[in-house]
This record gives sequence, C-alpha cells and structure tokens, in this order.
Amino acid sequence: AQSVTQPDIHITVSEGASLELRCNYSYGATPYLFWYVQSPGQGLQLLLKYFSGDTLVQGIKGFEAEFKRSQSSFNLRKPSVHWSDAAEYFCAVVSPLSGNTGKLIFGQGTTLQVKP
Amino acid sequence: KAGVTQTPRYLIKTRGQQVTLSCSPISGHRSVSWYQQTPGQGLQFLFEYFSETQRNKGNFPGRFSGRQFSNSRSEMNVSTLELGDSALYLCASSLVGQGNYEQYFGPGTRLTVT
Repeated sequence: AQSVTQPDIHITVSEGASLELRCNYSYGATPYLFWYVQSPGQGLQLLLKYFSGDTLVQGIKGFEAEFKRSQSSFNLRKPSVHWSDAAEYFCAVVSPLSGNTGKLIFGQGTTLQVKP
Repeated sequence: KAGVTQTPRYLIKTRGQQVTLSCSPISGHRSVSWYQQTPGQGLQFLFEYFSETQRNKGNFPGRFSGRQFSNSRSEMNVSTLELGDSALYLCASSLVGQGNYEQYFGPGTRLTVT
C-alpha cells in the first residue's frame, strides 16, 4: 500500500539554525511529491512540489526540497529558520496516473518548534 | 484570485444529526477533494469530485457523501453524526491537467459533535 513516513514527530531548532525535515514514501512508481505547512487553526499552505526534472526544488518562504529516487525520500530544508516558521509540516504524495491525482496521501506531520 | 473558501468555519452538532459543509474552489479549478483531519488519524482523504463526478473515494462509511455542482462548488454531507466525526474538514481544489496537479486548501470547517 502507498504510504508516507515522516520519522520525526517533533523537532526543535534554534532561530537562525538550519532545518531538515525528513520524508520517505512507499509507492509503486515515482509519485508527485509535495510539502505543506499548517499553522494552528489554519488550512494547509503549499510550500513546494516535485513532478519531474530537477531533483532540487525551490519553494516559498526560503524552503527547498531534494528528491532522491534511490532513497524514496523528499526531505525539506531551510538554511536559516525564523520564529515564524514554527508550525506543522506535512509531506504528501499523489499518484501521477490520470484520474488519481486528486487523492493526496499524507505523512503524519512534523511539528517544528523554534527556540529564540 | 480568491482562494478556496469553506463555510461554515465552525459547527457544533449533536449525535445523530446530519451536517452539510460547503466548499468554493479557486476560479477555474475543476477538481475538489475533501479531507478529514483528526489528532489520532491525521489527514485522511474522503473523496474527490471532478466535473461533477466522484472520481475517487477514501475508506469512509457511506454516511459521508458529497456532490459537486456545475460551477465546481462542492458540498459534503455527514449523516447520523457520531462523536468520532469531530474533526477539521478541509477541502482543496486543483486545476488538473497541463502539468498542474497541486492542491490548494481552504481554511477548513471545524465540526464538533456532542
């Protein structure tokens, strides 16, 4: 069965430090990959996406992610974290097959806490 | 462009009642997907509508249903509410096709069942 794993439930980093959030997926073929962020009481905001091509993708708010096919991973990174980045982050995948692109499968989420 | 809107934002219902939630997608988006978010189960896919047809369905009981109108607006209905239906219900819209498969989410409807 298709699945997404975010190994870290909770991460704490100091403001200004670098960040890496891990995401591994299990899928028959290379899916489309996404990272979303959710602030308390809010909906999900798309940070970045990967469909094909360059395996390093840039997103909003200074985030980037790298797709590694050999490791079935799509880790999210940011060189310098700001206090406003504190939120919950979700990795998600969707089948690239026509007709199935509307069903996102999410990881369990990683809560990011930023220390001043 | 206006984002995805959901109404109402908050609802309190009693067990056994039914509820209807509404979602207006981004203009031009033809696909609307619904998700349930709970602390225990996380984000789970309910169903997707595309051009007024249900294209995908998640693993939820038949009490959960939906529909999509010709203007792409969508509603979901939950009948015979149970305490476990308390959740944040999120809808997302997508353009679909021409390389556009990302989903944009609304703020959600917080449903509390007492």
